[in-house]
Amino acid sequence: QQPVQSPQAVILREGEDAVINCSSSKALYSVHWYRQKHGEAPVFLMILLKGGEQKGHEKISASFNEKKQQSSLYLTASQLSYSGTYFCGTETSGGGNKLTFGTGTQLKVEL
Amino acid sequence: DGGITQSPKYLFRKEGQNVTLSCEQNLNHDAMYWYRQDPGQGLRLIYYSQIVNDFQKGDIAEGYSVSREKKESFPLTVTSAQKNPTAFYLCASSGRTRETQYFGPGTRLLVL
Repeated sequence: QQPVQSPQAVILREGEDAVINCSSSKALYSVHWYRQKHGEAPVFLMILLKGGEQKGHEKISASFNEKKQQSSLYLTASQLSYSGTYFCGTETSGGGNKLTFGTGTQLKVEL
Repeated sequence: DGGITQSPKYLFRKEGQNVTLSCEQNLNHDAMYWYRQDPGQGLRLIYYSQIVNDFQKGDIAEGYSVSREKKESFPLTVTSAQKNPTAFYLCASSGRTRETQYFGPGTRLLVL
């Protein structure tokens, strides 16, 4: 089953902060976050592993609540370049390296 | 430079025709994946392969076929059985251990 992302869309002024949430009904091993600009391939942002390990972008942070099967992506001091659609991909325990992606959150940063 | 290449960038399919999308990687990754993306939607997994000569169906495999004869290559064939093939197709690869997936630039398939 597909993870649920919220909000579906958000508009920010440059410099504002945003939080994007990803929630799954299954026990998760890892959560992967990507940003996709229109017509382009998704670009890796962050991976959060069960047990607390994180790897990713310097200016973006995220959290992973293993008990609630939820992850949140924190975008601080947003820049115009942050605009795009953000996807979470979830990997279940025993699922190999197979990801199930959410439907995405559209983020637009304006001047 | 290491990376993933997909070709062609745009592909047109006639009714009843099979078409093959190419995906090549030189990252020495064991695992490769094919996703389909429809407008305004997320990515849905078609097929994946964790090792040469082995692959598994994803969530929407009907109407598609793949092969994995070489570590570097994972072509996807969209068969005539796929009645609604118009979409953006993305190939990805990752290392065998739990690492992130890296995506190619994609192929946009349109039906004439």
